[in-house]
Amino acid sequence: DQQVKQNSPSLSVQEGRISILNCDYTNSMFDYFLWYKKYPAEGPTFLISISSIKDKNEDGRFTVFLNKSAKHLSLHIVPSQPGDSAVYFCAARNRDDKIIFGKGTRLHILP
Amino acid sequence: DVKVTQSSRYLVKRTGEKVFLECVQDMDHENMFWYRQDPGLGLRLIYFSYDVKMKEKGDIPEGYSVSREKKERFSLILESASTNQTSMYLCASSFGGSFSGANVLTFGAGSRLTVL
Repeated sequence: DQQVKQNSPSLSVQEGRISILNCDYTNSMFDYFLWYKKYPAEGPTFLISISSIKDKNEDGRFTVFLNKSAKHLSLHIVPSQPGDSAVYFCAARNRDDKIIFGKGTRLHILP
Repeated sequence: DVKVTQSSRYLVKRTGEKVFLECVQDMDHENMFWYRQDPGLGLRLIYFSYDVKMKEKGDIPEGYSVSREKKERFSLILESASTNQTSMYLCASSFGGSFSGANVLTFGAGSRLTVL
């Protein structure tokens, strides 16, 4: 049973436009949500996070939105840059410190 | 500046061999994790540990065991490697507790294991 779902395996966006990556979850006990970025042959790196008590967090070009009633979060990247091409993982923390990841979305930024 | 070090980037083993994957972190983190990454399946949690000598099963612990004798070191053991354990293995660590920084995992570069 997949608790964190990223339903789009891949996404292509023109350079300079907005990239929107989506994530759904099923467990209402998750109290923290995170986005990670991964390049090939490297470990994932932390991007941005949001507590379940907030609905938005912004850090430079990256903004994460949380809709608790819909159990949905999204990552917005604007403007998109070539270096943003990577796999993005949505993750959620359970009360027991366990961090559950989605399957990832591969983002391609087109020139 | 490397903070989570995985001992081997690439390993090739034969079916039935015992395999040790070592991970060391230098950030004094309480929590340590082992994930595997497979195409189309994302990152799946194998085991995690929130203290020395403590371990908790993740979502796919079958065929694996772990050891945490010291705070900075977390080892993943495949007692008898099988071909379906061919994968990228990622170690991570984080602070314990409920403050926001406790949620941020720092990952190693990964160990790609091929079982023939």
